Amino acid sequence: DTEVTQTPKHLVMGMTNKKSLKCEQHMGHRAMYWYKQKAKKPPELMFVYSYEKLSINESVPSRFSPECPNSSLLNLHLHALQPEDSALYLCASSQEYRNYGYTFGSGTRLTVV
Amino acid sequence: EDQVTQSPEALRLQEGESSSLNCSYTVSGLRGLFWYRQDPGKGPEFLFTLYSAGEEKEKERLKATLTKKESFLHITAPKPEDSATYLCAVQAIKGGSQGNLIFGKGTKLSVKP
Repeated sequence: DTEVTQTPKHLVMGMTNKKSLKCEQHMGHRAMYWYKQKAKKPPELMFVYSYEKLSINESVPSRFSPECPNSSLLNLHLHALQPEDSALYLCASSQEYRNYGYTFGSGTRLTVV
Repeated sequence: EDQVTQSPEALRLQEGESSSLNCSYTVSGLRGLFWYRQDPGKGPEFLFTLYSAGEEKEKERLKATLTKKESFLHITAPKPEDSATYLCAVQAIKGGSQGNLIFGKGTKLSVKP
């Protein structure tokens, strides 16, 4: 199994809603990542988890809250988002942090209304 | 500062017309250079990893090469299904961005039948 699975594929939420994005991998990778990608731009790193511990938080607003319940799962909890947070949210994993290439999921297309 | 520059931004080819995409990089010690293909609204799909100057890798109509300053993605006799955005990313051994993927802005390839 060489996939990173993200759910949901599409999400529309109001600015007062609370929602969560989910990511799952069963490749035994110990590093997992959240990226944000705006249209016609490259992916931007948001968070890095290594061995289920938060290693990197790239100055992301607190309305985005990551969680890594176990080595296969990664969540991104969303609360009080702004319309400018609308983007494609990508999850990725790699065997180890700072080593090896990343496998990306198909992403969640988030629209904040 | 670690940096990746891709050119051209957009490339239009006729089916069967071979060409190359360029990725120039500046990095504090290269751990690896990665090529990804991204279709609209989808996550990046891994193509190649290159680790050292002189290395070449091939997959179907694609061939990636690496020098100390740049990488080329050669597309031989492209087909319409090769149309996508091609992303180049580098991973540094050291420095502030150590281990993280640094993406270029991508080259959008369109292949007309």
